[in-house]
Amino acid sequence: AQSVAQPEDQVNVAEGNPLTVKCTYSVSGNPYLFWYVQYPNRGLQFLLKYITGDNLVKGSYGFEAEFNKSQTSFHLKKPSALVSDSALYFCAVRFLYDKLIFGTGTRLQVFP
Amino acid sequence: DTEVTQTPKHLVMGMTNKKSLKCEQHMGHRAMYWYKQKAKKPPELMFVYSYEKLSINESVPSRFSPECPNSSLLNLHLHALQPEDSALYLCASSQSGQGGKNIQYFGAGTRLSVL
Repeated sequence: AQSVAQPEDQVNVAEGNPLTVKCTYSVSGNPYLFWYVQYPNRGLQFLLKYITGDNLVKGSYGFEAEFNKSQTSFHLKKPSALVSDSALYFCAVRFLYDKLIFGTGTRLQVFP
Repeated sequence: DTEVTQTPKHLVMGMTNKKSLKCEQHMGHRAMYWYKQKAKKPPELMFVYSYEKLSINESVPSRFSPECPNSSLLNLHLHALQPEDSALYLCASSQSGQGGKNIQYFGAGTRLSVL
């Protein structure tokens, strides 16, 4: 069965420091992986996706993610965190043609 | 433009009321979705429409009734809801086909409270 796991409920980082939000996946076949961000009382905003090709995927707002097939991971990264990056981040995997399965979410807190 | 518009933003209803949530997109997307999200939880898929036809129903209770009048509009009709149905209801849309590579674009949601 397709699934994703986000092992950390919360990640704390100081502004200006690099950040990593972890995601591991379990899929049969080729994985289609996505990262979304959710600000309070808002919908989800698409950040980036991995379908095929380069293992390092660049997305919106300076975020990138590294696909690692051997470790079945798709960690979200940013070289320098901003206070405005504080939000809830969801990793998701495609299941069937139109269905996304989301991880439990990781709250990112960036401190000034 | 990747905007999905949901109305109303907030809705309070009693358990005997009938109300509807509305979702609209003008990106030419032919797949539209309803999700339910409880506080601090991930979104849970409820329904998927593809080319205006219901393609996925995740065993949602019949008190939730989706409708897709045309390719730009998606409604969710609510009747006899329970307090546990209080949640953020999110609409999303995407291009259809392409084997699931499509990005789903989300609206801001409707915050529903059932009293």
